[in-house]
Amino acid sequence: KNQVEQSPQSLIILEGKNCTLQCNYTVSPFSNLRWYKQDTGRGPVSLTIMTFSENTKSNGRYTATLDADTKQSSLHITASQLSDSASYICVVRSGGYNKLIFGAGTRLAVHP
Amino acid sequence: DGGITQSPKYLFRKEGQNVTLSCEQNLNHDAMYWYRQDPGQGLRLIYYSQIVNDFQKGDIAEGYSVSREKKESFPLTVTSAQKNPTAFYLCASRETGKNEKLFFGSGTQLSVL
Repeated sequence: KNQVEQSPQSLIILEGKNCTLQCNYTVSPFSNLRWYKQDTGRGPVSLTIMTFSENTKSNGRYTATLDADTKQSSLHITASQLSDSASYICVVRSGGYNKLIFGAGTRLAVHP
Repeated sequence: DGGITQSPKYLFRKEGQNVTLSCEQNLNHDAMYWYRQDPGQGLRLIYYSQIVNDFQKGDIAEGYSVSREKKESFPLTVTSAQKNPTAFYLCASRETGKNEKLFFGSGTQLSVL
């Protein structure tokens, strides 16, 4: 069964600190992996996409990694800000766009 | 402003009632999607439409219906057959081209009275 598992389920950090969120997937076939940020009561917004051949990709203070061999991805947030408080969702595409497998998300709280 | 607009933000359903959630986009995207989000779970696909006048069932279509009469609009009806409708509903449209991505609306929270 295709699955995407994210850890931790929730995380609290102090403003200015770094953190890393994990995504493990058992999806076949694999097309790409995308990280979304979802603010409370809002729709998700894409942060970055990883294809099979990419290992690392940055978007400002966000850096995503992909290890296709171990089927793991991570999202590293540097110098966290209060506005980073949100849920971060890992999504793996398996074939067509009706074949997106969503993780349950990691809820991040950044405290002053 | 280009984007996807969902309305209403909050909706309450009485027993035996059908309710319709609106989704409008001005991004000129062909493909549109409806997802359901429950606490602690990943988004699940209800229905999707690749083009006007065509739509397909997703993983959890029972108790829901849709229409796609216009490119800009993809309303979702939650029927009385859906016994557990309380959830956050998200509409999305898909950008075409390299590294296509979904653009989501702000969601509708549906609750049962």
